[in-house]
Amino acid sequence: QKEVEQDPGPLSVPEGAIVSLNCTYSNSAFQYFMWYRQYSRKGPELLMYTYSSGNKEDGRFTAQVDKSSKYISLFIRDSQPSDSATYLCAMIEPGTYKYIFGTGTRLKVLA
Amino acid sequence: KAGVTQTPRYLIKTRGQQVTLSCSPISGHRSVSWYQQTPGQGLQFLFEYFSETQRNKGNFPGRFSGRQFSNSRSEMNVSTLELGDSALYLCASSTGASSTDTQYFGPGTRLTVL
Repeated sequence: QKEVEQDPGPLSVPEGAIVSLNCTYSNSAFQYFMWYRQYSRKGPELLMYTYSSGNKEDGRFTAQVDKSSKYISLFIRDSQPSDSATYLCAMIEPGTYKYIFGTGTRLKVLA
Repeated sequence: KAGVTQTPRYLIKTRGQQVTLSCSPISGHRSVSWYQQTPGQGLQFLFEYFSETQRNKGNFPGRFSGRQFSNSRSEMNVSTLELGDSALYLCASSTGASSTDTQYFGPGTRLTVL
């Protein structure tokens, strides 16, 4: 079993829809959670990060962490065609500088 | 500020050959991490260098090695290439002062092994 699981998709939604992207993880010691966005032929770029449980909002994006369920989510409101990309969740192995990534979910927002 | 640059962007090699990939971090960043990205496995951590020392290592065979120079530029070497080494190799730089520092990724080097 992988340490971080993520549905690869693809996920197709109409423009304006609310998108929910999710990851589950197995290591309860993870404390720092990130979401990266990767456009085709580009490297990943950090979208949001959050410590421990709770919600964090940034514009149209909300990151949610539920440590009791070992489950994290990224919500995108009013999705746009420019949001079409692969979204990767990532966590840091405690005590190291090693990032553990999910395999990524491909999102396509249809105009 | 210039971003992370990687050279070359594309590379085609044959089995058994070796390859060297280069990464120039953002100016002032002292940490460089390398990742392998494949469709099936996603992004997998190879190693991280800080101030010319390997600080963390992933679970890859010894054919994968790296180094970092005094100007923080880093190289990654893969010897005796196998078909399964075909992947996008990404490097990321950060200040390295804390494990939670944002990692900034380069565009990657696409390696194809024939």
